[in-house]
Order: sequence, then structure tokens, then C-alpha cells
Amino acid sequence: AQSVTQLGSHVSVSEGALVLLRCNYSSSVPPYLFWYVQYPNQGLQLLLKYTTGATLVKGINGFEAEFKKSETSFHLTKPSAHMSDAAEYFCAVSLSSGTYKYIFGTGTRLKVLA
Amino acid sequence: GAVVSQHPSRVICKSGTSVKIECRSLDFQATTMFWYRQFPKQSLMLMATSNEGSKATYEQGVEKDKFLINHASLTLSTLTVTSAHPEDSSFYICSARGGEQGNSPLHFGNGTRLTVT
Repeated sequence: AQSVTQLGSHVSVSEGALVLLRCNYSSSVPPYLFWYVQYPNQGLQLLLKYTTGATLVKGINGFEAEFKKSETSFHLTKPSAHMSDAAEYFCAVSLSSGTYKYIFGTGTRLKVLA
Repeated sequence: GAVVSQHPSRVICKSGTSVKIECRSLDFQATTMFWYRQFPKQSLMLMATSNEGSKATYEQGVEKDKFLINHASLTLSTLTVTSAHPEDSSFYICSARGGEQGNSPLHFGNGTRLTVT
């Protein structure tokens, strides 16, 4: 069975500091991995995705994530946090075969301090 | 980019009434749409998978007679909460996959805040 674990339900960083949001997954088949961002009372917006190929993936708003198979991780990073980055972030895994069902992590709320 | 429109964004209804939520893919065809429910400060819970032209597939524990899903066309899926009760108050989000493969990302609507009084 597939699962996604996001370590840290709340993360606080200072404006301009490094953002690191952790995501670990388990999957019996090669996974497709995604990061989404959710602002209050809105749906989810795709930040980036990993399917195949280059393991370092760049997304929108300066975010990037690296797929590490040996560590079953897909951590999200941004070199310098901006106030507008404050939101809820969700990691998700989709199977590469079968039902293609998405499994979401429990989310990490990012707070950016001035 | 792919856009999913969800309507209404907010709805307040009395206990015992039914509420319909629409989800439209505006610039792509979606044979499969997904309905999620999100409780405050929690993750998304998949309720059902909506398939165009066939019956929806419900997740375990979701009452199919209470949450009626219709996917009549390649661009429209509806969720009807029947005989709503206060415990049905929640944030409902629809999404559509931008392709048929697992590597196709989900595109989300902006959600519907349902309040049952």
C-alpha cells in the first residue's frame, strides 16, 4: 500500500531563510510525486511534480524538490522564504500503474516571520 | 493551464435540504474527476472517483446515497449532498486529472464551504 508522511505539521521560518518541508513516501511500484500549495479557503495549486528523469525538480514560485529513491523522500525547498509563501503544503503520491489514485500527506502549515 | 471551476464557493442551507455542487473542467476534457472533503486543518479525504458515463466509485465509509455524484459529460461532475445535516458541514473540493496517466497532475477547483444550520 502507498502512504505519504509529512514530518512537522507546522513549520516557521524567518523571511529570507531557507524553507525545508519534509515528505517521505512508501510505494510498492515507482511513484509519481507531487507538491501542492493551498491558501485559505481555496483549492490546491500544483507546485511541482516528479515522474521520471531528473531527480531535482523545479517548480513555481522558486520552489524545488529532490527525489531520493534510497531515502524514499521528496523534500520541498526554497532558498529564501517570502511572506507570500505562508500557506498549507501537501505532498502527494500517485501510482505509476493501476488506479493512479492520489494519496495526500497530512499537510504542513508554513508560517513566515517578518 | 488547465482550469477547474467549482460552484458555489459558499453555501448555507437548512438541515434536511439538499445541496448541489458543480465542478467543471473549463479547457480540457476530464473523464475522471475526484471529490474530496477537508476538515479544518486536516488533509484531503478522498470521497469518490467520478467517471464520465458510469457510476462513481466511493471510498470506504462514504455513503453513496447521501453523496450523490453525477458525471454526465466530459467537463461536468456534480456532487449532491442529500438531506444535509450539521455534521456534513465541511469544505468540499473537486479535482480533475489533466490526462489519463498516473503522471498527470490533478487540477483543483477552489472548493465549496458548506454550512448546514
